Amino acid sequence: SQELEQSPQSLIVQEGKNLTINCTSSKTLYGLYWYKQKYGEGLIFLMMLQKGGEEKSHEKITAKLDEKKQQSSLHITASQPSHAGIYLCGASSTRGSNYKLTFGKGTLLTVNP
Amino acid sequence: SAVISQKPSRDICQRGTSLTIQCQVDSQVTMMFWYRQQPGQSLTLIATANQGSEATYESGFVIDKFPISRPNLTFSTLTVSNMSPEDSSIYLCSVLSAGETQYFGPGTRLLVL
Repeated sequence: SQELEQSPQSLIVQEGKNLTINCTSSKTLYGLYWYKQKYGEGLIFLMMLQKGGEEKSHEKITAKLDEKKQQSSLHITASQPSHAGIYLCGASSTRGSNYKLTFGKGTLLTVNP
Repeated sequence: SAVISQKPSRDICQRGTSLTIQCQVDSQVTMMFWYRQQPGQSLTLIATANQGSEATYESGFVIDKFPISRPNLTFSTLTVSNMSPEDSSIYLCSVLSAGETQYFGPGTRLLVL
């Protein structure tokens, strides 16, 4: 079965700093999702990437999927306390069914004011 | 995007009892899913809720333990049967939008004593 490795497991940054979270798989990824989760709550959809080399941005968050479609990164520019939470990547390794997702264990982000 | 609500938002239950969780979507969707997030773990897909037919369960999950109903295209229920403390988790429903984006509900936080 597919495993998604997220790194780092946790991250503490000072407000205003940039940061990157990585999500890596040994298998080709079909439909790579990034979500944000507040502790004990539901998942907030951030972005979905499907094509190798694809890059998407929303406000200060940019996500990329590498050409081989085995690694994705999430980059936050000029972090703010509102960015704090758990970031999860989820993906399918089955072509044609990119909705049955396997998730990484998450990256806990703390942003100190 | 889809707006998803879940009831109850949280509950504390005694072992041996059952709890039914409801998931309501604000628009008709073809595909609905149920996930479990155990403490300190990432999300695991329990099953796909199929409208008008039996749910499709993932490996390790069975209908007797997690019966699922999907009476129409906007509603589904998940029952956690004969609960034990190991069933303490956050249960989340998700839907696949027309644009193939998967949105999640706010989750139901279950504690079994």
